[in-house]
Amino acid sequence: DADVTQTPRNRITKTGKRIMLECSQTKGHDRMYWYRQDPGLGLRLIYYSFDVKDINKGEISDGYSVSRQAQAKFSLSLESAIPNQTALYFCATSAGSVGTQYFGPGTRLTVL
Amino acid sequence: DQQVKQNSPSLSVQEGRISILNCDYTNSMFDYFLWYKKYPAEGPTFLISISSIKDKNEDGRFTVFLNKSAKHLSLHIVPSQPGDSAVYFCAASGTQGAQKLVFGQGTRLTINP
Repeated sequence: DADVTQTPRNRITKTGKRIMLECSQTKGHDRMYWYRQDPGLGLRLIYYSFDVKDINKGEISDGYSVSRQAQAKFSLSLESAIPNQTALYFCATSAGSVGTQYFGPGTRLTVL
Repeated sequence: DQQVKQNSPSLSVQEGRISILNCDYTNSMFDYFLWYKKYPAEGPTFLISISSIKDKNEDGRFTVFLNKSAKHLSLHIVPSQPGDSAVYFCAASGTQGAQKLVFGQGTRLTINP
């Protein structure tokens, strides 16, 4: 079984809809992250969390919110989806102070 | 402002030859650098990393070189194999708080038989 899972893997929605992307991990890591990938821009950090009580904005947090329901679960919400949020979204986890992050398989989100 | 840049969107190399992927950064506070490899429909997977106290790190066919004065790092793959065909991302982080990685745009490497 995968260590970092994301659901759904693909989602098509309409402008204005509320969307939640979920991430779960079995690695026992305390730190979790949400990134989005756009063509030609690499991965950009949306939000990150060091533990259940810690939530921090990343580079591009506007239009997004997150919830760390447990150490193993970190969800990303789009309160009112817009077309320019169409992208590939990745969840990642890490432990300790070393910079290696482990990524989930991604969610492809399309906002029409 | 792109703090980590991979200026080559794509690279094509013959099987068995050396692949060299390049990455430049602008933030002198970065002190830890990583390379990730990504196949289609999968998440990025960690490949190799290097701390700023070193100038070279080697793992099998993969070697990362860091030139701090030039703010440049490179990934060498020798010999290149067809399974190495993927998108490669360079990433950097600093000691300011967490492991907030800043990624480059990625380079698509194609290994030709």
